[in-house]
Order: sequence, then structure tokens, then C-alpha cells
Amino acid sequence: AQKVTQAQTEISVVEKEDVTLDCVYETRDTTYYLFWYKQPPSGELVFLIRRNSFDEQNEISGRYSWNFQKSTSSFNFTITASQVVDSAVYFCALSETGFQKLVFGTGTRLLVSP
Amino acid sequence: DAGVTQSPTHLIKTRGQQVTLRCSPKSGHDTVSWYQQALGQGPQFIFQYYEEEERQRGNFPDRFSGHQFPNYSSELNVNALLLGDSALYLCASSFEPRANYGYTFGSGTRLTVV
Repeated sequence: AQKVTQAQTEISVVEKEDVTLDCVYETRDTTYYLFWYKQPPSGELVFLIRRNSFDEQNEISGRYSWNFQKSTSSFNFTITASQVVDSAVYFCALSETGFQKLVFGTGTRLLVSP
Repeated sequence: DAGVTQSPTHLIKTRGQQVTLRCSPKSGHDTVSWYQQALGQGPQFIFQYYEEEERQRGNFPDRFSGHQFPNYSSELNVNALLLGDSALYLCASSFEPRANYGYTFGSGTRLTVV
């Protein structure tokens, strides 16, 4: 069965601090896809990144970086030098090949104060 | 290029009533998925439509039904509404040949059942 766990319910930081959001997943499949989405108060889920199970290279996009480790079934997300605009709920999600539904974690609410 | 459009934005219904939510996918997308997001939770997969047929279904009762039209737009119908159906309903679209490359979400319809 698929499962995504985001143990951090809420994180509060001060602007310019670095913050890491944790994601642990479970799947029996060898081919799967991992995603991070951002949900601002407007409600829309904004796509941030997709990673397939065969690509363990870490990725950096501006202030965002992702650390994928199959050995620990983790796909963590780091925001460097956080900004107030980063305040949102962040979701990690998993989909398996042939099953296109996304299985989401419960989300981590990030509050960045000035 | 319009993204995913959902209507209405907000809706208040009485217990026992029926409701229809609408979704227009992103241009070029042919697959529509529906998710229910209860307050403080991650989105839960309801079902997915492709080629006007329900292809996958999550763990939701038959009170939840849907439809996809030839222009790829979709409707979600919920009968005999319960208080527990109050949630944000999100529509996501994708392009079948590259489905796992990403899903575009709409801003959702917030349904309140009183």
C-alpha cells in the first residue's frame, strides 16, 4: 500500500532562516514518482517538483532544494533563506506507475515571520 | 493559457441535498481527477476520468459520481449530502501520455454542508 508521512504539522521560522520539510513514503512498487506541492491560502495546489524513483540526484531550483534518498524512503525539501511569501502548506505526494492517483501526506504548514 | 477552472468557488448546501461541481481542464489535457480535502488534511483521491469513463476510484461511496464530456470537462456529483462532505474539492488535469509528469490543480470548490 502507498503511504506518505509528513511528521511535521507546523513549522515557524523567522525570515532568512533555512528550513527543511520532511517526507517519508511507503510503496511496494519499484517505479514510482514523488511530488511536492505548495498550497497558499487561495487553495490551489502549486506544483514544485517531480522526481522518479530512478533518479536520485538532488535538485536545486533557486532557494529550493530536494534530497531524495531511496535507502531511507525520504524526499525532503529545503528552503534556503526563507521569505514571508514562502508561508503556505506544503504537501508531499506519491504516485505509482499505472496508478495515476496521487497519495498525499497530511501537509506541513510553514509560517515565515518577518 | 488558462489553467484548470473550477466552478462554483463556494457553495452552501443543506444535508440531504445533491450538488454538482464543475471542472474545465488545462488546455491540452485530457484526463481529469477529483480530490476531496477536508480541513487540515491532505487531498484524498475520489476518482479519475479518461476518455469519458471512470478509470480509477478511491475509497468513496457511490454517492459520489462523475462524468466527463467530449471536450474533456468534468462534473462531480454528490448525492444525499452529509455534514462530513464539507470540504475543499479539487480538480486536477493531466495529459495521458505524460500523466506522471505532473498534474495541474484548480483552486477548488469549497463546499459547506449545513
